[in-house]
Amino acid sequence: GNSVTQMEGPVTLSEEAFLTINCTYTATGYPSLFWYVQYPGEGLQLLLKATKADDKGSNKGFEATYRKETTSFHLEKGSVQVSDSAVYFCALINNDYKLSFGAGTTVTVRA
Amino acid sequence: ETGVTQTPRHLVMGMTNKKSLKCEQHLGHNAMYWYKQSAKKPLELMFVYSLEERVENNSVPSRFSPECPNSSHLFLHLHTLQPEDSALYLCASSQDWGGGTETQYFGPGTRLLVL
Repeated sequence: GNSVTQMEGPVTLSEEAFLTINCTYTATGYPSLFWYVQYPGEGLQLLLKATKADDKGSNKGFEATYRKETTSFHLEKGSVQVSDSAVYFCALINNDYKLSFGAGTTVTVRA
Repeated sequence: ETGVTQTPRHLVMGMTNKKSLKCEQHLGHNAMYWYKQSAKKPLELMFVYSLEERVENNSVPSRFSPECPNSSHLFLHLHTLQPEDSALYLCASSQDWGGGTETQYFGPGTRLLVL
């Protein structure tokens, strides 16, 4: 079946630091990959996505590249802000049409 | 503003109560979903509706009963719940069901506490 594994949190860092959240997946075929973000007290928002190998998704300074050879979709941001504090979810959708989520990584950015 | 709204945002109910969660999407989508988000567990897909027909039911207990009267509205009827059902219930929608690249858009969720 399909599964997503992300690095365990929580992650705490200072403003302007570099953020990486690792995500790897297991799936047959060519899934589409997503990063969702959940701010405190809110639902999930799509942050970025990539639908085929070597695609790079980007939004709000975040980037992730679909790496089929390593089955990875790591999320990066070069300079985080306090407002980036949230829970980040890696997810995939495959030919079973079901969105599979990782467990989520809590990120706290301190001023 | 994601275009998907949910009411109520918070709900406390006893185990013998009957309540309903409501979801409405303003995106013109054809597919809608219910998810359960529990602490320290991945999101669990509960139900999927496509064009008002249920296409997925992931072994959810019968005390959860979904209803989709039209493509814009989705309900989750709750009765005789257990304390372990306390969670954040998220609604989502997508343009269609069955496309491998479909992006799902989520509502803010209903935080449910069962006493």
